[in-house]
Amino acid sequence: GAVVSQHPSRVICKSGTSVKIECRSLDFQATTMFWYRQFPKQSLMLMATSNEGSKATYEQGVEKDKFLINHASLTLSTLTVTSAHPEDSSFYICSARLDSGNTIYFGEGSWLTVV
Amino acid sequence: GQQLNQSPQSMFIQEGEDVSMNCTSSSIFNTWLWYKQDPGEGPVLLIALYKAGELTSNGRLTAQFGITRKDSFLNISASIPSDVGIYFCAGRSPGSARQLTFGSGTQLTVLP
Repeated sequence: GAVVSQHPSRVICKSGTSVKIECRSLDFQATTMFWYRQFPKQSLMLMATSNEGSKATYEQGVEKDKFLINHASLTLSTLTVTSAHPEDSSFYICSARLDSGNTIYFGEGSWLTVV
Repeated sequence: GQQLNQSPQSMFIQEGEDVSMNCTSSSIFNTWLWYKQDPGEGPVLLIALYKAGELTSNGRLTAQFGITRKDSFLNISASIPSDVGIYFCAGRSPGSARQLTFGSGTQLTVLP
Protein backbone atom coordinates (compact mmCIF):
# COMPACT_ATOMS: atom_id res chain seq x y z
CA GLY A 1 0.00 0.00 0.00
CA ALA A 2 0.90 3.67 -0.21
CA VAL A 3 3.28 5.04 2.39
CA VAL A 4 3.03 8.31 4.25
CA SER A 5 5.93 9.29 6.47
CA GLN A 6 6.01 11.84 9.26
CA HIS A 7 9.04 13.41 10.85
CA PRO A 8 9.94 13.77 13.61
CA SER A 9 8.11 10.99 15.43
CA ARG A 10 8.79 12.67 18.76
CA VAL A 11 9.85 16.19 19.57
CA ILE A 12 10.27 18.16 22.76
CA CYS A 13 10.45 21.92 22.56
CA LYS A 14 10.55 24.81 24.97
CA SER A 15 7.53 26.98 25.51
CA GLY A 16 7.57 29.95 23.15
CA THR A 17 9.56 28.27 20.40
CA SER A 18 8.31 26.92 17.09
CA VAL A 19 8.45 23.37 15.83
CA LYS A 20 7.94 21.97 12.34
CA ILE A 21 6.47 18.58 11.50
CA GLU A 22 6.84 17.13 8.02
CA CYS A 23 4.46 14.84 6.19
CA ARG A 24 5.65 13.11 3.05
CA SER A 25 3.92 10.79 0.63
CA LEU A 26 6.76 8.48 -0.31
CA ASP A 27 5.49 6.66 -3.36
CA PHE A 28 2.57 8.67 -4.66
CA GLN A 29 1.46 12.19 -5.37
CA ALA A 30 -0.96 13.86 -3.03
CA THR A 31 -2.53 17.15 -4.00
CA THR A 32 -4.42 17.10 -0.74
CA MET A 33 -3.11 16.25 2.70
CA PHE A 34 -4.82 16.53 6.05
CA TRP A 35 -3.58 17.37 9.52
CA TYR A 36 -5.20 15.92 12.61
CA ARG A 37 -4.73 16.26 16.31
CA GLN A 38 -5.52 13.43 18.67
CA PHE A 39 -5.89 13.58 22.43
CA PRO A 40 -5.43 10.46 24.55
CA LYS A 41 -8.19 7.90 24.09
CA GLN A 42 -10.05 10.13 21.68
CA SER A 43 -10.71 10.11 17.99
CA LEU A 44 -8.87 12.17 15.43
CA MET A 45 -9.78 15.83 15.15
CA LEU A 46 -9.29 17.40 11.76
CA MET A 47 -7.31 20.62 12.03
CA ALA A 48 -6.86 21.62 8.43
CA THR A 49 -6.83 20.52 4.84
CA SER A 50 -3.56 21.21 3.06
CA ASN A 51 -3.72 21.92 -0.66
CA GLU A 52 -0.65 21.90 -2.86
CA GLY A 53 0.12 25.34 -4.19
CA SER A 54 -2.62 27.12 -2.30
CA LYS A 55 -3.63 28.14 1.20
CA ALA A 56 -4.74 25.54 3.68
CA THR A 57 -8.35 25.32 4.77
CA TYR A 58 -8.65 25.41 8.54
CA GLU A 59 -11.41 23.90 10.63
CA GLN A 60 -13.42 26.12 12.90
CA GLY A 61 -11.58 26.92 16.09
CA VAL A 62 -8.10 26.17 14.73
CA GLU A 63 -5.81 29.21 14.74
CA LYS A 64 -4.21 29.48 11.33
CA ASP A 65 -1.54 31.89 12.57
CA LYS A 66 -0.51 29.41 15.23
CA PHE A 67 -0.62 26.27 13.13
CA LEU A 68 1.10 27.20 9.88
CA ILE A 69 0.65 24.76 7.04
CA ASN A 70 2.71 24.74 3.87
CA HIS A 71 2.13 22.32 1.00
CA ALA A 72 4.94 23.26 -1.35
CA SER A 73 5.05 20.10 -3.42
CA LEU A 74 2.89 17.14 -4.35
CA THR A 75 4.69 14.97 -1.81
CA LEU A 76 5.33 17.26 1.15
CA SER A 77 3.21 19.18 3.61
CA THR A 78 4.53 20.79 6.77
CA LEU A 79 2.81 21.84 9.97
CA THR A 80 4.58 24.47 12.06
CA VAL A 81 3.38 25.05 15.59
CA THR A 82 4.41 28.60 16.38
CA SER A 83 5.00 30.03 19.83
CA ALA A 84 4.25 26.65 21.32
CA HIS A 85 2.62 26.32 24.71
CA PRO A 86 2.26 23.29 26.96
CA GLU A 87 -1.38 22.93 25.94
CA ASP A 88 -0.20 22.34 22.37
CA SER A 89 1.35 19.09 23.53
CA SER A 90 -0.44 16.37 21.62
CA PHE A 91 -0.23 13.66 18.99
CA TYR A 92 -0.34 15.15 15.50
CA ILE A 93 -1.14 12.95 12.52
CA CYS A 94 -1.15 13.71 8.83
CA SER A 95 -2.85 11.84 6.04
CA ALA A 96 -2.69 11.98 2.30
CA ARG A 97 -5.14 11.07 -0.39
CA LEU A 98 -3.97 9.41 -3.56
CA ASP A 99 -4.60 11.72 -6.48
CA SER A 100 -5.52 8.64 -8.47
CA GLY A 101 -8.09 7.30 -6.04
CA ASN A 102 -10.21 7.81 -2.95
CA THR A 103 -8.17 6.00 -0.34
CA ILE A 104 -6.51 7.98 2.41
CA TYR A 105 -3.34 6.84 4.15
CA PHE A 106 -1.98 8.08 7.44
CA GLY A 107 1.47 8.93 8.66
CA GLU A 108 2.90 7.39 11.80
CA GLY A 109 2.09 10.44 13.88
CA SER A 110 4.27 12.91 15.76
CA TRP A 111 4.32 13.35 19.51
CA LEU A 112 4.86 16.95 20.50
CA THR A 113 5.72 17.82 24.07
CA VAL A 114 6.07 21.47 25.01
CA VAL A 115 7.91 22.08 28.26
CA GLY B 1 -23.07 18.76 10.54
CA GLN B 2 -22.96 15.04 9.90
CA GLN B 3 -22.43 12.65 12.76
CA LEU B 4 -20.84 9.25 12.82
CA ASN B 5 -21.73 6.89 15.66
CA GLN B 6 -19.44 3.95 16.29
CA SER B 7 -20.25 1.09 18.64
CA PRO B 8 -19.37 -0.51 20.85
CA GLN B 9 -16.99 1.90 22.53
CA SER B 10 -14.95 -0.97 23.96
CA MET B 11 -14.92 -4.75 23.85
CA PHE B 12 -13.28 -7.44 25.92
CA ILE B 13 -13.22 -10.83 24.19
CA GLN B 14 -11.52 -14.17 24.54
CA GLU B 15 -8.88 -15.18 22.04
CA GLY B 16 -10.49 -17.11 19.22
CA GLU B 17 -13.83 -15.33 19.42
CA ASP B 18 -15.34 -13.34 16.60
CA VAL B 19 -15.83 -9.59 16.89
CA SER B 20 -18.26 -7.20 15.28
CA MET B 21 -18.38 -3.43 15.39
CA ASN B 22 -20.38 -0.94 13.38
CA CYS B 23 -20.80 2.67 12.42
CA THR B 24 -23.89 4.59 11.48
CA SER B 25 -24.18 7.99 9.92
CA SER B 26 -26.87 10.62 9.99
CA SER B 27 -26.30 11.23 6.30
CA ILE B 28 -25.28 9.31 3.22
CA PHE B 29 -21.63 8.41 2.68
CA ASN B 30 -19.99 7.42 -0.59
CA THR B 31 -16.89 5.95 1.01
CA TRP B 32 -16.34 3.93 4.17
CA LEU B 33 -12.88 3.20 5.52
CA TRP B 34 -11.83 1.11 8.50
CA TYR B 35 -8.56 1.79 10.33
CA LYS B 36 -6.70 0.23 13.22
CA GLN B 37 -4.55 2.34 15.51
CA ASP B 38 -1.97 0.96 17.89
CA PRO B 39 -0.89 3.11 20.84
CA GLY B 40 1.36 5.97 19.81
CA GLU B 41 1.09 5.27 16.11
CA GLY B 42 -0.90 6.54 13.20
CA PRO B 43 -4.00 4.71 11.93
CA VAL B 44 -3.40 1.91 9.46
CA LEU B 45 -5.93 1.30 6.72
CA LEU B 46 -7.61 -2.10 6.98
CA ILE B 47 -10.41 -2.05 4.44
CA ALA B 48 -11.83 0.50 2.01
CA LEU B 49 -15.41 0.36 0.69
CA TYR B 50 -16.71 2.42 -2.22
CA LYS B 51 -20.07 0.96 -3.22
CA ALA B 52 -23.31 0.38 -1.37
CA GLY B 53 -23.67 -3.30 -0.55
CA GLU B 54 -19.97 -3.97 -1.10
CA LEU B 55 -18.55 -6.75 1.07
CA THR B 56 -14.77 -6.88 1.28
CA SER B 57 -12.40 -9.16 3.17
CA ASN B 58 -8.81 -8.73 4.23
CA GLY B 59 -7.63 -11.93 5.88
CA ARG B 60 -9.72 -12.44 9.01
CA LEU B 61 -11.37 -9.05 8.58
CA THR B 62 -14.59 -8.48 6.69
CA ALA B 63 -16.35 -5.17 6.22
CA GLN B 64 -19.55 -4.19 4.46
CA PHE B 65 -20.88 -0.95 3.05
CA GLY B 66 -24.53 -0.79 4.06
CA ILE B 67 -27.19 -0.69 1.38
CA THR B 68 -28.67 2.50 2.82
CA ARG B 69 -25.19 4.09 2.55
CA LYS B 70 -25.55 5.22 6.14
CA ASP B 71 -23.83 2.35 7.89
CA SER B 72 -20.93 -0.07 7.80
CA PHE B 73 -19.71 -2.94 9.92
CA LEU B 74 -16.38 -4.61 10.52
CA ASN B 75 -16.06 -8.23 11.58
CA ILE B 76 -12.92 -9.89 12.90
CA SER B 77 -12.98 -13.68 12.99
CA ALA B 78 -10.96 -15.91 15.28
CA SER B 79 -9.37 -13.02 17.19
CA ILE B 80 -5.74 -13.18 18.23
CA PRO B 81 -3.79 -11.11 20.77
CA SER B 82 -2.31 -8.80 18.11
CA ASP B 83 -5.82 -7.67 17.19
CA VAL B 84 -5.72 -5.48 20.30
CA GLY B 85 -6.01 -1.80 19.45
CA ILE B 86 -8.46 0.93 18.59
CA TYR B 87 -10.54 0.50 15.47
CA PHE B 88 -11.91 3.57 13.73
CA CYS B 89 -14.46 3.82 11.01
CA ALA B 90 -14.29 6.82 8.72
CA GLY B 91 -16.56 8.01 6.01
CA ARG B 92 -16.77 10.60 3.33
CA SER B 93 -20.03 12.15 2.25
CA PRO B 94 -20.66 13.38 -1.29
CA GLY B 95 -19.23 16.83 -1.84
CA SER B 96 -17.17 16.79 1.35
CA ALA B 97 -13.99 17.97 -0.37
CA ARG B 98 -12.11 14.74 0.25
CA GLN B 99 -12.06 14.97 4.03
CA LEU B 100 -13.11 12.20 6.36
CA THR B 101 -15.45 12.06 9.31
CA PHE B 102 -14.22 9.69 11.99
CA GLY B 103 -16.10 7.51 14.40
CA SER B 104 -15.19 7.68 18.07
CA GLY B 105 -13.34 4.37 17.93
CA THR B 106 -13.76 0.90 19.40
CA GLN B 107 -11.13 -0.21 21.89
CA LEU B 108 -10.61 -3.95 21.47
CA THR B 109 -8.98 -6.07 24.16
CA VAL B 110 -8.30 -9.74 23.48
CA LEU B 111 -7.87 -11.91 26.55
CA PRO B 112 -5.69 -15.03 26.33
